[in-house]
Amino acid sequence: GDSVTQMEGPVTLSEEAFLTINCTYTATGYPSLFWYVQYPGEGLQLLLKATKADDKGSNKGFEATYRKETTSFHLEKGSVQVSDSAVYFCALTITGGFKTIFGAGTRLFVKA
Amino acid sequence: GAGVSQSPRYKVAKRGQDVALRCDPISGHVSLFWYQQALGQGPEFLTYFQNEAQLDKSGLPSDRFFAERPEGSVSTLKIQRTQQEDSAVYLCASSGGWVRGGSGANVLTFGAGSRLTVL
Repeated sequence: GDSVTQMEGPVTLSEEAFLTINCTYTATGYPSLFWYVQYPGEGLQLLLKATKADDKGSNKGFEATYRKETTSFHLEKGSVQVSDSAVYFCALTITGGFKTIFGAGTRLFVKA
Repeated sequence: GAGVSQSPRYKVAKRGQDVALRCDPISGHVSLFWYQQALGQGPEFLTYFQNEAQLDKSGLPSDRFFAERPEGSVSTLKIQRTQQEDSAVYLCASSGGWVRGGSGANVLTFGAGSRLTVL
């Protein structure tokens, strides 16, 4: 079946550090890939997406590249801020389908 | 509305009680989803509506769970005879369908969730 695996947290970084959160997937069809973010007390919101191989999604300084050969969609940011502290979810939707499958989430703490 | 609205935000129920959780999606959004999020986990799919039609309910954990969207807008998730294992955050999300331009990416807009605690 379709699934998403992401690195376990929590991840604790100092401000301005480099961030990588790993995400790999298993898909029965051709997926679109997403990163959603959940800030404390808020609902999940879309951070970025990529719909085909080699696409790079980007938003708010975050980037992720759709790697079909390694079935990965790792999230990166060059310099994190305290305000980036949140839970990050990797997700996929099979093209032509409607169900979005989420990973377990990775909690990020950024210290000043 | 401007966003997806869920109510109540918090619900405490005694085991065996029935509960109803409401979702008011973004106006005009065709697709509506319910997810269950246990503590420290990602959202798990429960059910999907396209307008008023419930096209997939494969994620509902048991026949105690029931969802409806009678007029294709507001939806209600009902849990009968609640059990402690039902304690979770219930998330509602809506979508306008496929992003125009043929990208085929179904982007979800989530509500803040309803946190259910069953004692």
